[in-house]
Amino acid sequence: DAGITQSPRYKITETGRQVTLMCHQTWSHSYMFWYRQDLGHGLRLIYYSAAADITDKGEVPDGYVVSRSKTENFPLTLESATRSQTSVYFCASSPRGQGLHSGANVLTFGAGSRLTVL
Amino acid sequence: AQSVTQLGSHVSVSEGALVLLRCNYSSSVPPYLFWYVQYPNQGLQLLLKYTSAATLVKGINGFEAEFKKSETSFHLTKPSAHMSDAAEYFCAVSGSGNTGKLIFGQGTTLQVKP
Repeated sequence: DAGITQSPRYKITETGRQVTLMCHQTWSHSYMFWYRQDLGHGLRLIYYSAAADITDKGEVPDGYVVSRSKTENFPLTLESATRSQTSVYFCASSPRGQGLHSGANVLTFGAGSRLTVL
Repeated sequence: AQSVTQLGSHVSVSEGALVLLRCNYSSSVPPYLFWYVQYPNQGLQLLLKYTSAATLVKGINGFEAEFKKSETSFHLTKPSAHMSDAAEYFCAVSGSGNTGKLIFGQGTTLQVKP
């Protein structure tokens, strides 16, 4: 199926456990992003990637690890989950912009992964 | 650095009334601005975007937004609210440099009363 898919959609885990959230897109978009959504904070950028093997920190990267060995996949790993990482996580992708308005790329979002850390 | 402030975390209107959701931005460079909508248990969908071509931008579902540089604002409006417009709305600004990333406001929940 074309689009951007996240898995799992729902996950409950315990403090200290490792969790990986998967993100897959079928458009070969250059850019991929991970945001977390929390009440009162809107969406905050965790990590982003401009291409395979190129990643960079966003606003709230602590406690998270990403990799991007293939253009279409961008997994997010919580190496040792904490209760403060309970959140809804959204993956997004966008094509690399070109021309005059190359900075006006539209992000396409996945449906989200709701993570609860007990 | 860019930032976005959405005034009002909750807005309630009656069906058929004007919808006005406020967004102010801060940017050291000419900004690209976006409005996204999120329906319950779904991801975000693009409503409209501003890229400097025209200050009044029309989007989907009857929404529009006006870029006002002097007020650093990009407020979202719709003349007549429908029940189906109940959702959370996010204003966003494109980050500095061509990184593709967006910086989002805190969001405004729109309630539409019958």
